[in-house]
Amino acid sequence: GNSVTQMEGPVTLSEEAFLTINCTYTATGYPSLFWYVQYPGEGLQLLLKATKADDKGSNKGFEATYRKETTSFHLEKGSVQVSDSAVYFCALSDEETSGSRLTFGEGTQLTVNP
Amino acid sequence: ETGVTQTPRHLVMGMTNKKSLKCEQHLGHNAMYWYKQSAKKPLELMFVYSLEERVENNSVPSRFSPECPNSSHLFLHLHTLQPEDSALYLCASSQVSGGAPHEQFFGPGTRLTVL
Repeated sequence: GNSVTQMEGPVTLSEEAFLTINCTYTATGYPSLFWYVQYPGEGLQLLLKATKADDKGSNKGFEATYRKETTSFHLEKGSVQVSDSAVYFCALSDEETSGSRLTFGEGTQLTVNP
Repeated sequence: ETGVTQTPRHLVMGMTNKKSLKCEQHLGHNAMYWYKQSAKKPLELMFVYSLEERVENNSVPSRFSPECPNSSHLFLHLHTLQPEDSALYLCASSQVSGGAPHEQFFGPGTRLTVL
């Protein structure tokens, strides 16, 4: 079956540091890949996505590239801010006609200190 | 209202109570989902409704009973819950079309505490 493995947290960085959160996946077929972010007290929000190999998703300074050869979708940001403190979830969606099934990683807690 | 809304945001109930969680999506989507988020565990998909028909039930105990009266509303009826059912319950919606995976949009969740 499908699975997503994320870098274990928590991750603590200083403001303006470089961020990488690793994500690898196992899937049959050609899934779409997503990063979701959950701020304290809120639900999950889509941060970025990529639907095919070599696609790069980007949003709010975050980037991730769909690497089929390494089955990875690592999240990166060049300079984090305190407001980026949240839990980040990597997810994949397989192709279904009766509802998209998202398989999530366990989430990585990021804390950015001033 | 925009996006996906959930009520109540917080709920405390005893093991013998009956309560319901409500979710409403204002995005014109045709699929809705219930997830359970427990501390230090991956999100667990509980139920999937597509075009108002339940298409997935991931071995969820019968004390959880979903209802989808139309494409905009989803309920989760709760009865005789256990303390281990305490969690954040998240509702999501998406547009399903022709096999192409679409992102899901999440509500803020209901924080449930079972005493």
